[in-house]
Amino acid sequence: DTGVSQDPRHKITKRGQNVTFRCDPISEHNRLYWYRQTLGQGPEFLTYFQNEAQLEKSRLLSDRFSAERPKGSFSTLEIQRTEQGDSAMYLCASSLTGGDTEAFFGQGTRLTVV
Amino acid sequence: GENVEQHPSTLSVQEGDSAVIKCTYSDSASNYFPWYKQELGKRPQLIIDIRSNVGEKKDQRIAVTLNKTAKHFSLHITETQPEDSAVYFCAVVSAAGNKLTFGGGTRVLVKP
Repeated sequence: DTGVSQDPRHKITKRGQNVTFRCDPISEHNRLYWYRQTLGQGPEFLTYFQNEAQLEKSRLLSDRFSAERPKGSFSTLEIQRTEQGDSAMYLCASSLTGGDTEAFFGQGTRLTVV
Repeated sequence: GENVEQHPSTLSVQEGDSAVIKCTYSDSASNYFPWYKQELGKRPQLIIDIRSNVGEKKDQRIAVTLNKTAKHFSLHITETQPEDSAVYFCAVVSAAGNKLTFGGGTRVLVKP
C-alpha cells in the first residue's frame, strides 16, 4: 500500500492518560501535516513538517500536544493528560514539497476520551 | 490567518440536477484552491483543484470556478448521481501559509 497510513485506527482512553498516534506518509513526500476533525466540521490544522523540521504549529494547539518527525519519514503525535475535548478524528496528510500540491490523507485515528 | 467560509452547509438535490457549493476566503495572496470529498467514515480525497492563474477548470461532471478579485470560488457538479452524496470541503493555501485551511463542509444528498 503506497498511501498514507495511520495507526491506530481507533483509540479509547481515560481522561488524564497520554496517547500517541503514528503516521506513515507516502515515501517520497517531504511534507507531512496533522489535522483534527470533529463531527460536522472541516479538518482543523494542527502542525506540519518539511522533512524533519516542524515549520508551523497552530496557535490553538495547547502545550499538551507535541509532534515529531525524527528522520523525516514517519511522524508521531502525542497528547498528554487527555481531556474529553480532545475527542476527535486525527488526520495525517502528506504532499510533495510546496503547499500547492495535492495533499493525500490517511484514514485517521479516532480518539475517544472517557 | 486565512479564513474560509463555505455555503451551504447542507444541500439536497434530485438525481440529475446540478449542485453548486461556494467558498470565500480572506487572504488575497492565496494561490491554490482544492476541493475534497469525504464519504462517511472515509478519508478526504481530492476531486478537483484550481490555481490562481486559472479562472475555471472542468473534469467530466465537476467544475471549479475562481474569482480572485472577489475572493471566492465555487464547485459545480452536474448530472448528480447517488454516489455524489458525501461531504465536500473547499480548502485554500496561501502563498505564505503553505498549509490547507478548510471550509466547514457541505453535506450533499442526492435523492434518487
